[in-house]
Amino acid sequence: GAGVSQSPSNKVTEKGKDVELRCDPISGHTALYWYRQSLGQGLEFLIYFQGNSAPDKSGLPSDRFSAERTGGSVSTLTIQRTQQEDSAVYLCASSLASYNEQFFGPGTRLTVL
Amino acid sequence: AQSVTQLDSHVSVSEGTPVLLRCNYSSSYSPSLFWYVQHPNKGLQLLLKYTSAATLVKGINGFEAEFKKSETSFHLTKPSAHMSDAAEYFCVVSDQTGGSYIPTFGRGTSLIVHP
Repeated sequence: GAGVSQSPSNKVTEKGKDVELRCDPISGHTALYWYRQSLGQGLEFLIYFQGNSAPDKSGLPSDRFSAERTGGSVSTLTIQRTQQEDSAVYLCASSLASYNEQFFGPGTRLTVL
Repeated sequence: AQSVTQLDSHVSVSEGTPVLLRCNYSSSYSPSLFWYVQHPNKGLQLLLKYTSAATLVKGINGFEAEFKKSETSFHLTKPSAHMSDAAEYFCVVSDQTGGSYIPTFGRGTSLIVHP
């Protein structure tokens, strides 16, 4: 069946511009996570959605970062006024429930010039 | 609070020899533990998971891991390495800290396999 998809696969932007990254989770998965992976680094948790509950935003690095999940399905991560240090691969994952294994998308590689 | 430490940033083995990737965790609750693999320019894939059933967990591609509560370890092993095993491996712990299961990822171990 269809896995987690993310778009775009690559995004190059100029410093100061806003970007939107999209994640389509596996149908029926109630939990959705966003992570950031910088070159040679592990995964940095950003935000977590579970069903209709308020999202856990504890990992967002600044107020330039925000995310929403519409209708319990598709999620969009928005980065405003991008900075060079925002350059990374942004990964989305979904799971059937919050304690199950996660299924990851291929990621969006963001480059801020 | 939960945490996970992958004890080696790089592990180098010869093809056909055993693989050992070490992981120690800390958790205030009964944790779930996972190993994921990330091949170059690919997404993360689940290798195996421990969720309080059998302490010896078998995963895909011949990998297995043993949950040792007394040692707070969850080391990943494979009897014989293949060239295709060269990848980044992540140990992950997840418990109900604060009422939500937000996983904590280790920093990763890069497995290098020599012919």
